[in-house]
Amino acid sequence: DAKTTQPTSMDCAEGRAANLPCNHSTISGNEYVYWYRQIHSQGPQYIIHGLKNNETNEMASLIITEDRKSSTLILPHATLRDTAVYYCIVRVVYNFNKFYFGSGTKLNVKP
Amino acid sequence: DAGVTQSPTHLIKTRGQHVTLRCSPISGHKSVSWYQQVLGQGPQFIFQYYEKEERGRGNFPDRFSARQFPNYSSELNVNALLLGDSALYLCASSVQGQETQYFGPGTRLLVL
Repeated sequence: DAKTTQPTSMDCAEGRAANLPCNHSTISGNEYVYWYRQIHSQGPQYIIHGLKNNETNEMASLIITEDRKSSTLILPHATLRDTAVYYCIVRVVYNFNKFYFGSGTKLNVKP
Repeated sequence: DAGVTQSPTHLIKTRGQHVTLRCSPISGHKSVSWYQQVLGQGPQFIFQYYEKEERGRGNFPDRFSARQFPNYSSELNVNALLLGDSALYLCASSVQGQETQYFGPGTRLLVL
């Protein structure tokens, strides 16, 4: 089921940009890239999603490579409250498809 | 606006017992999905319901069942509890089941 590969953990200094990579080399043309995060045993929080174009919202930016085989989630100015596990998920949107969560990346934001 | 709500927040049961977990979706959302998250792992899909019909089922035993009510709320039932059922149970809702899912805070179940 695993369709994405993410580093197990990353560190980031508070106030700096956090760049979280995700590899999805087997992504299909109709699969979107979704990002969620989970802060210490709370429910996962939706961050952003995209198909092929770069996307930006109030929380983050999503950069998808031209071949769509990888993407990067960017938190422009990380704060301590951004410390969480970040999940990258690929799924077909227009279908009753489950969200498959891998192990994610534990982002540690340090003062 | 209220998000997805789940009850209870915490629950302790003993092996062999039965448990019912409840979920209320975001207003206007007609689909509910259930996930199990064991400590240290990502959430695992259990069920998805849309308009009271099951639309997807994960690799879980028949001890797990669910249903959705006319008001789109949902219950997850687990029979004959095992120690391994101890986990955070998450409910997520979406408008019609095919879009972004929004998660509730979860119910933490401990089986002794």
